[in-house]
Amino acid sequence: AQSVTQLGSHVSVSEGALVLLRCNYSSSVPPYLFWYVQYPNQGLQLLLKYTSAATLVKGINGFEAEFKKSETSFHLTKPSAHMSDAAEYFCAVMNFGNEKLTFGTGTRLTIIP
Amino acid sequence: GAGVSQTPSNKVTEKGKYVELRCDPISGHTALYWYRQSLGQGPEFLIYFQGTGAADDSGLPNDRFFAVRPEGSVSTLKIQRTERGDSAVYLCASSLHGKGTDTQYFGPGTRLTVL
Repeated sequence: AQSVTQLGSHVSVSEGALVLLRCNYSSSVPPYLFWYVQYPNQGLQLLLKYTSAATLVKGINGFEAEFKKSETSFHLTKPSAHMSDAAEYFCAVMNFGNEKLTFGTGTRLTIIP
Repeated sequence: GAGVSQTPSNKVTEKGKYVELRCDPISGHTALYWYRQSLGQGPEFLIYFQGTGAADDSGLPNDRFFAVRPEGSVSTLKIQRTERGDSAVYLCASSLHGKGTDTQYFGPGTRLTVL
């Protein structure tokens, strides 16, 4: 069964520092991949998605992710963290022809002033 | 335009009771999904509707859980004989056509607490 692993349930970075949130997937066929963000007391919001086009995907709020088939990874990055980036981030996978999302356990990002 | 809405936002019930959770998708979206998010976990898939029919209900944990979408718009998730383990946030999402490339838009969720 397809799955995603998010390394690090909690990540803290200083304001202005690089944000790197890790996601690895397990799938025999390259799937669709997604990053969602969940702010406190709000619903999940799509940050970006990979759907077999360009391997470097740019999303909202300055985030981007790179699909690396050889590493089965889809890590999320942002060059400079902002206080408003503090939230929970979820990586998710969907296999072609299967419309359900399978989520990782999430990474809580804390920004240190 | 309006996003996905869910009612109630919070529901507290007693063990053994019946509950209904409602989801109003984005207008015109043919696909509707239910997920469940337990504390400290990512959302887990429950069921997916394409129009009025359940296209995939493989995530429903047991026969106490049932969902309907009679007119292809609003959906209701029904839980019979609730158990304390059913306590979670129930999330609804909708997408335009239900294709993998379509974005799933999530509602704010219903927090269910079973005492």
